[in-house]
Amino acid sequence: NAGVTQTPKFQVLKTGQSMTLQCAQDMNHEYMSWYRQDPGMGLRLIHYSVGAGITDQGEVPNGYNVSRSTTEDFPLRLLSAAPSQTSVYFCASSYPWGTGGADTQYFGPGTRLTVL
Amino acid sequence: KQEVTQIPAALSVPEGENLVLNCSFTDSAIYNLQWFRQDPGKGLTSLLLIQSSQREQTSGRLNASLDKSSGRSTLYIAASQPGDSATYLCAVRRGATNKLIFGTGTLLAVQP
Repeated sequence: NAGVTQTPKFQVLKTGQSMTLQCAQDMNHEYMSWYRQDPGMGLRLIHYSVGAGITDQGEVPNGYNVSRSTTEDFPLRLLSAAPSQTSVYFCASSYPWGTGGADTQYFGPGTRLTVL
Repeated sequence: KQEVTQIPAALSVPEGENLVLNCSFTDSAIYNLQWFRQDPGKGLTSLLLIQSSQREQTSGRLNASLDKSSGRSTLYIAASQPGDSATYLCAVRRGATNKLIFGTGTLLAVQP
């Protein structure tokens, strides 16, 4: 199993550009989520999905869109990049809550995004 | 609103020392608590998960405890090694959801 994979690993954008961060998992997990990590603020939830076709907002959703057409993939779209979106982005997946220890969350290696 | 705090923010110890990392949360109505390790420039690796009904979990040299009533969890690392150097994060999960709320982490340096 590759686990959770993210591409690209690094990206530099100019203000106003759009892009898509890719996330894929091969563990047949129903739950997937996106977090951003900023110095001194920990990880904050952007969007999440409890299954194909179902998405919802997290703590900091503004400026980001998601969709979930398959169980495996959960891309994150930046509509019009802003310097405030400079961060490290992590994708995570797990079985649904209520499955005991099996609902441990697995994280991808991250995408480091800089917006100039 | 649930808030998760980790103290200290940074810790440096000599190799071989036993150490304790602290995590506190403001709302005791949690589903479970998870400890993660993050190496520089890397993703998060799950270390231990404690369900709300449990008091502790052990894996090798690591032991995590949970006291819901006081809103506290500790991660005990025995006989620390330089390879334990990393940032340690705790995260709580609220009931009926997979959402995690993270602390800001403790940066641990184990000196050889």
